[in-house]
Amino acid sequence: DGGITQSPKYLFRKEGQNVTLSCEQNLNHDAMYWYRQDPGQGLRLIYYSQIVNDFQKGDIAEGYSVSREKKESFPLTVTSAQKNPTAFYLCASGATSGANVLTFGAGSRLTVL
Amino acid sequence: KNEVEQSPQNLTAQEGEFITINCSYSVGISALHWLQQHPGGGIVSLFMLSSGKKKHGRLIATINIQEKHSSLHITASHPRDSAVYICAVGRNNNDMRFGAGTRLTVKP
Repeated sequence: DGGITQSPKYLFRKEGQNVTLSCEQNLNHDAMYWYRQDPGQGLRLIYYSQIVNDFQKGDIAEGYSVSREKKESFPLTVTSAQKNPTAFYLCASGATSGANVLTFGAGSRLTVL
Repeated sequence: KNEVEQSPQNLTAQEGEFITINCSYSVGISALHWLQQHPGGGIVSLFMLSSGKKKHGRLIATINIQEKHSSLHITASHPRDSAVYICAVGRNNNDMRFGAGTRLTVKP
């Protein structure tokens, strides 16, 4: 079945450590996105990529980094520079043209101890 | 003020009740989406609409472009409908704005 796989589902990190969240899709989508979800707030865009080897900052990119070496993969690194990294992170993918329909992964919950 | 506002934030209903969730937005859009997020966290798309009304099973979504308002209705609600419902507006392929969500609990 086609879809998006995020891993790990739960992750605990000590302050000062970098962590990388994995996002893999087999939908042949060109565009991939990372969102952050906090209680009581709408999803906020961290980074997006429309094509391999290219990505753009979203609204809250500070303290995060991404790469897009393969069409299927868009890993997100939460660096030690991110001041408040505890959150739920969602990866999504979609076509680059047409109707804005996104497919979401199941999410990764990061807790900083 | 958020660009996408949903109401109510929380909603508790008895099984069988008719439910309405509202969404207002303040920006120009190409389409409006209703999403469902279950307790595990994954999100699924319920509807995408740019005008009028769509129906899928017990779910109905309407949009009024002039008033910048959309509603999601659930008829004959069931405990399995319990989830967070999120309204999102698409402005172009990379610019989607999300409401904070409405947490629905349907009691048996």
